[in-house]
Order: sequence, then structure tokens, then C-alpha cells
Amino acid sequence: DQQVKQNSPSLSVQEGRISILNCDYTNSMFDYFLWYKKYPAEGPTFLISISSIKDKNEDGRFTVFLNKSAKHLSLHIVPSQPGDSAVYFCAATATIYGGSQGNLIFGKGTKLSVKP
Amino acid sequence: DAGITQSPRHKVTETGTPVTLRCHQTENHRYMYWYRQDPGHGLRLIHYSYGVKDTDKGEVSDGYSVSRSKTEDFLLTLESATSSQTSVYFCAINPDRVNYGYTFGSGTRLTVV
Repeated sequence: DQQVKQNSPSLSVQEGRISILNCDYTNSMFDYFLWYKKYPAEGPTFLISISSIKDKNEDGRFTVFLNKSAKHLSLHIVPSQPGDSAVYFCAATATIYGGSQGNLIFGKGTKLSVKP
Repeated sequence: DAGITQSPRHKVTETGTPVTLRCHQTENHRYMYWYRQDPGHGLRLIHYSYGVKDTDKGEVSDGYSVSRSKTEDFLLTLESATSSQTSVYFCAINPDRVNYGYTFGSGTRLTVV
């Protein structure tokens, strides 16, 4: 059963507007979350992360919000640019022992298209 | 590039033949991973390694084996390729067991006919 769910396979947004990508998780042990971005014919690249002790983390145009009670996180991109068009993967992991973390569990991805 | 290369980039092979994919890193990272990406499934972990000769299974390990005889190389072998193993395979590296964000290779597109 899927532990990390990205229920929107695709999203289309106008340049300059906000893009909101959503991710839900089912495993209450997950305490660290990451977003990756993937262009065609390339490997995924790390974008931004958030620990469960926070509810928000910002990096430039990218902000990730975490709602632990709802087991939901979202990635906001403001303003969206055509170069942001890519597949975005949500990933999660749990601290297992001594600060170590388990392997990443990925969602299926959301394809973002930003139209000029 | 971030010091991780995969070879070959593309391969077409016949059902029943053995295939080995190679991941090479120059970062001296301890952890290495093999994922496959398929439409509708996202990225799924096949096997991973936490040191030379130390490997473990992921969620979709059936039909795959791995070896790591040197820190820098992690090999993924399909002993007898099947059409269900047609996929894009990604290798990733991480320095330790805390997630700062894996670094992924560019992928190998494998087609089994």
C-alpha cells in the first residue's frame, strides 16, 4: 500500500502565479520530508526538505508546509516560471535509531507545466 | 555533474539474457541505492548498499541482485531479464544515514524485448 501519495498526476499553472503541489502520507513514523524535481532524461534533484519539528521551510521561491495532524505537506512555488516545468516527487523517511534515518519512500510524482 | 555516473545510458536486451548496470561515484559516499522509475509508480527502491560488501533489499528486489566490491562502484544485475523489468533505473548516493537529499545519477533506460 502506498505510504506517500501524490494524488494529482499533473498540474498546469500560468507563469507568475502560484503552483501548489500536494502530498499525503499514511505512516505516522515519518518525520522528515523532501521534495525532488525531475526534468526529462535527467535524474531527480533535491529541492527542499522539512523536519517534523517544523511546519514551514522556505528557500527562495520554494516553500514547503507540513500539517502533521492531517499527514499532509505541500510545496508552494511563487512566482512560477516556465523553467519550473518538471515532475515533482515527494519523499518521506523516519528516524530509526541514533539519529539515523530509514530509506526514502517516494510518491508517484506530479507533472507541473508552467505556461508563459 | 555531482560525481555520479551510470552506464550504459540506454540498453536494449532480449528476454532471458543477463544484464548488468553500473553506478560509479567519485564522492566516496557510504550509501548507494538503486531505484526504478515506472509510469504510475514513481521511484521504487530495488536494493541499497551501506558499505563495501554490505547490501540489503528494497521493496522491489525480486529478480535483481547487486554487488559492491569497491566504495565507488555499485552494480545491479538482472540475472534473466523479463519484459516487466523494462524501466528507467536510477542510482543514488548519500554520505551517511541522515537525509540531506540523495544525489541521483542521470539514469539508464533499459528495454527488454
